[in-house]
Amino acid sequence: NAGVTQTPKFRILKIGQSMTLQCTQDMNHNYMYWYRQDPGMGLKLIYYSVGAGITDKGEVPNGYNVSRSTTEDFPLRLELAAPSQTSVYFCASLVGGATDTQYFGPGTRLTVL
Amino acid sequence: QKEVEQNSGPLSVPEGAIASLNCTYSDRGSQSFFWYRQYSGKSPELIMFIYSNGDKEDGRFTAQLNKASQYVSLLIRDSQPSDSATYLCAVSGYSTLTFGKGTMLLVSP
Repeated sequence: NAGVTQTPKFRILKIGQSMTLQCTQDMNHNYMYWYRQDPGMGLKLIYYSVGAGITDKGEVPNGYNVSRSTTEDFPLRLELAAPSQTSVYFCASLVGGATDTQYFGPGTRLTVL
Repeated sequence: QKEVEQNSGPLSVPEGAIASLNCTYSDRGSQSFFWYRQYSGKSPELIMFIYSNGDKEDGRFTAQLNKASQYVSLLIRDSQPSDSATYLCAVSGYSTLTFGKGTMLLVSP
């Protein structure tokens, strides 16, 4: 199993550009999450999904959109990129249940200039 | 808004010592608690979870939970330089986790 994969690993965007961060998991997990991590700030939840076709906002959803058409994929869309979206983005997944482990992808480092 | 508080550190300990990492949380109804380790430039990985009051041991790691005081801790015995990382405390909610900002641990040889 590849686990949770994310592409791209690095990206530089200009202000106002758009892009999609890809996340795929091959563990048949129901739950998937998108976090952003700013230096020294821990992980902030952007959006999450409890299954295909179901998504919900997290703590910091503004400026982002998601979709979940399949169990495996959970892309994160940035529209009109802003410097405040410069961050490291992590995707994670888990099967379900309060004590299940969240498995994280390797992250995408995004810079908006 | 749930809050999870951690001392940002760095916490510096010599090799072989016990490192003690602490975390407090605001939601008294929280049920499950997690400790993740994150090396610089890498993604977080789970070390332990705990959901019952008391201690839970796994090798050199011991998680301690006191729900009355809303306090979780992680003890690392016989600390090694390879334990140098940021340790994230996380508290479960309905379908999601709330993370603290993390404590940086530095273990010197």
